[in-house]
Amino acid sequence: EPEVTQTPSHQVTQMGQEVILRCVPISNHLYFYWYRQILGQKVEFLVSFYNNEISEKSEIFDDQFSVERPDGSNFTLKIRSTKLEDSAMYFCASSERAGHQPQHFGDGTRLSIL
Amino acid sequence: DAKTTQPPSMDCAEGRAANLPCNHSTISGNEYVYWYRQIHSQGPQYIIHGLKNNETNEMASLIITEDRKSSTLILPHATLRDTAVYYCIVRVATVFNKFYFGSGTKLNVKP
Repeated sequence: EPEVTQTPSHQVTQMGQEVILRCVPISNHLYFYWYRQILGQKVEFLVSFYNNEISEKSEIFDDQFSVERPDGSNFTLKIRSTKLEDSAMYFCASSERAGHQPQHFGDGTRLSIL
Repeated sequence: DAKTTQPPSMDCAEGRAANLPCNHSTISGNEYVYWYRQIHSQGPQYIIHGLKNNETNEMASLIITEDRKSSTLILPHATLRDTAVYYCIVRVATVFNKFYFGSGTKLNVKP
């Protein structure tokens, strides 16, 4: 069964450094999302992306965050200058169509900021 | 999106059916009910969704009451691998609509 893949599984970065988290969505999916989950807390929406544009973003997704689909298969989340509070699991998701179709999630990247 | 209420935890014996309830008394006519689960710290895994009819797939069954104010996810023969946090999410099926994850129900399947 096709799945969303994320790399790396664990990223350790010094505070203030830039980090790029990578995702390969399911191949025929057109809608892409990032969520995060701070340890012990709920899964939170960050951003949705369609047709090379951000569709919606949450308050968490400030100017330090950006997303890109650099080619036909990858979808990336960049954090420009990481903070300690950015430490979390970051999940990429994709859906085939909008509307009531479910989103399918990857297994996440654990980001640890030192 | 309507709010959902789930018990924080439930136990189930291995091999028995697990019935996970969800209350969504303020659901509106265009909101779907979705179930996801999260095993340990893995990504949320889609299980099933429905609007008003009962649904079944290879993983589970979803029973939605006639007034749509509550639903039950049924895992027919729970295994130890089904131990996870189960999320019931009610969501308007509009373009790009995000999923709001609550606290869910921690299902403990015991030998």
